[in-house]
Amino acid sequence: GQSLEQPSEVTAVEGAIVQINCTYQTSGFYGLSWYQQHDGGAPTFLSYNALDGLEETGRFSSFLSRSDSYGYLLLQELQMKDSASYFCAVKSGGSYIPTFGRGTSLIVHP
Amino acid sequence: DGGITQSPKYLFRKEGQNVTLSCEQNLNHDAMYWYRQDPGQGLRLIYYSQIVNDFQKGDIAEGYSVSREKKESFPLTVTSAQKNPTAFYLCASTPNSGNTIYFGEGSWLTVV
Repeated sequence: GQSLEQPSEVTAVEGAIVQINCTYQTSGFYGLSWYQQHDGGAPTFLSYNALDGLEETGRFSSFLSRSDSYGYLLLQELQMKDSASYFCAVKSGGSYIPTFGRGTSLIVHP
Repeated sequence: DGGITQSPKYLFRKEGQNVTLSCEQNLNHDAMYWYRQDPGQGLRLIYYSQIVNDFQKGDIAEGYSVSREKKESFPLTVTSAQKNPTAFYLCASTPNSGNTIYFGEGSWLTVV
């Protein structure tokens, strides 16, 4: 089977940097994605890593280490609007079915 | 604009009743999914379909049914056999070769 582990909650202050970790166990790994979901809304795509290394998109960066089955999402210059849940998801196996972690609630304080 | 449309946004159902949630996409995506999300929880896969007239059970399919008669449509029926149906339901789609999952705005189902 597949499983993903991420912290349930992370808190930080405005302007700070925060890292949300994700470890996974799966077979036939293809890639790791990150999604943001505000309360009551739909998840929206943030990033995708298929190869080792860091991908940067504005204030958000995502890292993957395939050998460690580990990735993280890095959020810089935190803003209040970044308060949301963040989910990691893996694509694996021959069916390409995405599996999601339980999500990390990020709370940004002024 | 292209996207995924779910309806209704809010639905109340009496115990023992079946209810159908609509999901339509105009993205020309091959694969469609239904996820269930409970408060403070992750997304759990109910059913998925990678091609018209074919669908597969996900991790929590019991008490649910789907159909995929058209590429654009993937309705979910929550049957009376689903013991705890109150939840937020998300429909999603992907192109078979793509890495981004596109979600609808979700449907809130409450059993009263």
